[in-house]
Amino acid sequence: DAGVIQSPRHEVTEMGQEVTLRCKPISGHNSLFWYRQTMMRGLELLIYFNNNVPIDDSGMPEDRFSAKMPNASFSTLKIQPSEPRDSAVYFCASINPLTYEQYFGPGTRLTVT
Amino acid sequence: QKEVEQNSGPLSVPEGAIASLNCTYSDRGSQSFFWYRQYSGKSPELIMFIYSNGDKEDGRFTAQLNKASQYVSLLIRDSQPSDSATYLCAVISGNTGKLIFGQGTTLQVKP
Repeated sequence: DAGVIQSPRHEVTEMGQEVTLRCKPISGHNSLFWYRQTMMRGLELLIYFNNNVPIDDSGMPEDRFSAKMPNASFSTLKIQPSEPRDSAVYFCASINPLTYEQYFGPGTRLTVT
Repeated sequence: QKEVEQNSGPLSVPEGAIASLNCTYSDRGSQSFFWYRQYSGKSPELIMFIYSNGDKEDGRFTAQLNKASQYVSLLIRDSQPSDSATYLCAVISGNTGKLIFGQGTTLQVKP
């Protein structure tokens, strides 16, 4: 298995632009998580899905952030409009339903100028 | 009070020594506990998980759990420079079922 796949790996955009981050979880993992990591705040859970359904989005910072999971093999995190304070590394992770072991993707480093 | 607390460090140990990383959690209903290692610029990597009180050993790593004290630790024996990384403690909240991460402890192993 290729593991959790994220794209793009790096994104540089200007303030006000729309940003879309993509994730493909490990096949058979029925839960998917989006995290944001910064030096100041550490690793923060933004939203997670179980069987493609959003379960908890209380970590989504504001309405500019939205996430979808149209099927078991694909999810997106969208920021519209983006702001400099959104600059961070965004990780997607999926979880083995039998062991609860969570596996992270390589992350997307977002820079908003 | 944070749900999962770790000393940010850095914790500095000489090569070959035992590194001891500690974590406390606030939710007494938590049942599953994980240790992740994160190298600079990389994603977190699961290295240990523990569900029951006591010790769990895997190679040079030992996870220790004490639910009564709400304390989980990670011991690294014969520390190597390649162990230098940030170690994240994570706990599945008994209330929400979410995996909650601590801020991480930076470990430096000096040759």
